[in-house]
Order: sequence, then structure tokens, then C-alpha cells
Amino acid sequence: DTGVSQNPRHKITKRGQNVTFRCDPISEHNRLYWYRQTLGQGPEFLTYFQNEAQLEKSRLLSDRFSAERPKGSFSTLEIQRTEQGDSAMYLCASSDRDRGTEAFFGQGTRLTVV
Amino acid sequence: AQSVSQHNHHVILSEAASLELGCNYSYGGTVNLFWYVQYPGQHLQLLLKYFSGDPLVKGIKGFEAEFIKSKFSFNLRKPSVQWSDTAEYFCAVTDYSSASKIIFGSGTRLSIRP
Repeated sequence: DTGVSQNPRHKITKRGQNVTFRCDPISEHNRLYWYRQTLGQGPEFLTYFQNEAQLEKSRLLSDRFSAERPKGSFSTLEIQRTEQGDSAMYLCASSDRDRGTEAFFGQGTRLTVV
Repeated sequence: AQSVSQHNHHVILSEAASLELGCNYSYGGTVNLFWYVQYPGQHLQLLLKYFSGDPLVKGIKGFEAEFIKSKFSFNLRKPSVQWSDTAEYFCAVTDYSSASKIIFGSGTRLSIRP
């Protein structure tokens, strides 16, 4: 399968712990996006990268959230000092900026903070 | 700022009925428009997209959408739905010139009665 891969698929953590998610985009895709989705809502934009450069961060993204994309390949999203309100599905998507803007999504990582 | 409105939160239809899901966006510039579908337990998949040209675009599984620039709308249609169309449908928009972040609507849940 050469689609977008996210790990882990599920994560249960205690409040206050740090968590890190990984996203492997479709190879050669230069854009990578992170979204958060809660039940009954559409994907909510968090941040995106063009190669290794982080181009935009949502104002909704508190300083507890950080994302990286070293070398412009895979990306990680870290949440520090998790809160119950962080419980959601975290989605990663990638696209080829030079061939069009449609994004291809991964299966997501479901985070539950207890 | 860009935004997307989907006015129908939950639509219930019988098989063979015709479908139209509304989508309005707010953005003054040139846009790229998308409809994504999320089947139960699966990841987001692209149904169709509009970049330029013919405002009537056809997608997979018999879906089509019409871009009406004067109305800032991109409604999704299907002449005859099937039980397998039961899913959540999301309209999305991005700025054509900068191809920046993709903004999603809150989604419409479609339930098809067999």
C-alpha cells in the first residue's frame, strides 16, 4: 500500500502525558497536512508543510502542540501535557503541490485522553 | 478567511431517490473545490474536484457537482442513490493561487434506507 500511513492507529494516554504521532506521506508528495476531527465535525486544520518548511499553523493550535517534518519526508505531531479536550482523531494528508491540490488522507490516529 | 457551510447535517433517503447536498463557501478569490466521502470506519476519500473549466464535474460512483461562481456554491448531486452511499460527505475549498490549506465543512451524514 503506497498511501498515507499513520502510526499508531489508536493511542490511550493519561492526562498530562506527552504523545507523539507519526505520518508517512505518499512518496514524493511535497505537501503534508495535519487535521483534527471530532465526532460529527469536519476535519479541522492544524498545520501544514511544504517540504520541510512549516508554512502555517492554526491559531487553534496551542503551544502544547508541535509538528515537525525533518528532511521533508515523514512528519511527527507531538502533544505535550495532554488534556481530555485533546481526545480526537488526528488526520494526516499529503498532496503534490505541482500536480494539483487534492489531498490524500491516512486512516488517522485516534487519541483518547483519560 | 475562507469558510465552508454545509447546511444539511443529516439527510435520510430511500434507495433510488435523488440526492442533492448543499455547499457554500466564502472566499473572494479563485478557488479549488472538493467533495470528500468518509464511509463508516474508513478514511476520507476524494469523490470529485473542481479546478477550472467546465463547472459541472463528474466524480466516482455516479456523483457530480456543479460550481456556480455567482452563488459561491458547489452542490453535490446523484440521480439515484444506493444503500452503499451511506456515509459522511464533506465539502472543501482551497485558494487556487497559493494552494494553501484545505478548509472543510462540518459534513453531511447521509443515511440510505434499503
